[in-house]
Amino acid sequence: EAQVTQNPRYLITVTGKKLTVTCSQNMNHEYMSWYRQDPGLGLRQIYYSMNVEVTDKGDVPEGYKVSRKEKRNFPLILESPSPNQTSLYFCASRVGPSGANVLTFGAGSRLTVL
Amino acid sequence: GESVGLHLPTLSVQEGDNSIINCAYSNSASDYFIWYKQESGKGPQFIIDIRSNMDKRQGQRVTVLLNKTVKHLSLQIAATQPGDSAVYFCAGANTGFQKLVFGTGTRLLVSP
Repeated sequence: EAQVTQNPRYLITVTGKKLTVTCSQNMNHEYMSWYRQDPGLGLRQIYYSMNVEVTDKGDVPEGYKVSRKEKRNFPLILESPSPNQTSLYFCASRVGPSGANVLTFGAGSRLTVL
Repeated sequence: GESVGLHLPTLSVQEGDNSIINCAYSNSASDYFIWYKQESGKGPQFIIDIRSNMDKRQGQRVTVLLNKTVKHLSLQIAATQPGDSAVYFCAGANTGFQKLVFGTGTRLLVSP
């Protein structure tokens, strides 16, 4: 089944403890992106990647890092999480610039930073 | 920066009625507008998109209307069903589709 898989789905952590949310897609998509969803604010883009080793900032990149060493994986790294990063995170992918403009989203990762 | 989506927070309709969900945007540079549906506990799901050089596009039971003069986008759902209950987001994308700006969403409640 074509899908975007995120792990963990739920995580409670403490301020300053580094964590990584993994994202993997099995559709050979070039483009991948991370969003956070907060009440009243909708989804906001954190980082995106046009292809392997090509990443760029979205609208709210502060406090996050990403890497794209392989086409299928796009992990989101929080080096020193803070309570304001408590949110619901979504990873998404699509074919690429010339492909259909259809983003496939993962099921989400709910992160709580205490 | 760009903003998209001055949604009403909740829209309640009866099963079988037509639903209209509205969205306003501020950035005329968006090249695509997309509607997503998000069911509880799931990620957003693509419904339909429209290019900025179009004013109407139809899908299965859904129609998107774009009025560039007043920077307004709407999603019409015909014969709304209980399975349509979800949060609906509009989003604007640049030409290369690298950046997507989402609205805050409208919750559609369908009662039998």
